[in-house]
Amino acid sequence: NAGVTQTPKFRILKIGQSMTLQCTQDMNHNYMYWYRQDPGMGLKLIYYSVGAGITDKGEVPNGYNVSRSTTEDFPLRLELAAPSQTSVYFCASSYPVSNQPQHFGDGTRLSIL
Amino acid sequence: AQTVTQSQPEMSVQEAETVTLSCTYDTSESDYYLFWYKQPPSRQMILVIRQEAYKQQNATENRFSVNFQKAAKSFSLKISDSQLGDAAMYFCAYRSASDRGSSGDKLTFGTGTRLAVRP
Repeated sequence: NAGVTQTPKFRILKIGQSMTLQCTQDMNHNYMYWYRQDPGMGLKLIYYSVGAGITDKGEVPNGYNVSRSTTEDFPLRLELAAPSQTSVYFCASSYPVSNQPQHFGDGTRLSIL
Repeated sequence: AQTVTQSQPEMSVQEAETVTLSCTYDTSESDYYLFWYKQPPSRQMILVIRQEAYKQQNATENRFSVNFQKAAKSFSLKISDSQLGDAAMYFCAYRSASDRGSSGDKLTFGTGTRLAVRP
């Protein structure tokens, strides 16, 4: 039972490079989310999706883009990496049932140098 | 917008003792959910316990229990019989129960409390 799978686990980028963080879930969850966690801080929402073809901005969307072409996949793209995007990124998913919790992936540690 | 505040950046407890982690939140909504997540050094986010705001009874999960004070907007976590494996960051999180269809079930997190367990 894989749950939420994120790849890669670690990555170092140079300033200005682009990359895509992959997220896939096998629980048939409608809702999916991307969060970032800066050192010593809580998680902040970047983007979320309530279903295939539907995405919306969270609290800190600048510098990121997302797409949701299937229920399973929710990739996060950084177009022009900046040092301020150095963080740990978490993908999560949940059922659209009121008391169900979000299930998190193991995170991607991204460093921009 | 909702905010979640964890005023204790670090806490320490002796193994087998009890510790309480504090969390307060600010909201104008009457229906919502509250969660405590544990993040060990492995970086995983593990659900510890959840509370529905409409329930007066405090949630419990084995050694973990909450003290939910809706009027005071307080949601503290009590860990009884602390174990070495309880050492981790603990995050309090809020989720609205309204307008879920278009806004999803977004979580608002506090900044966390790092719990150390002394052997």
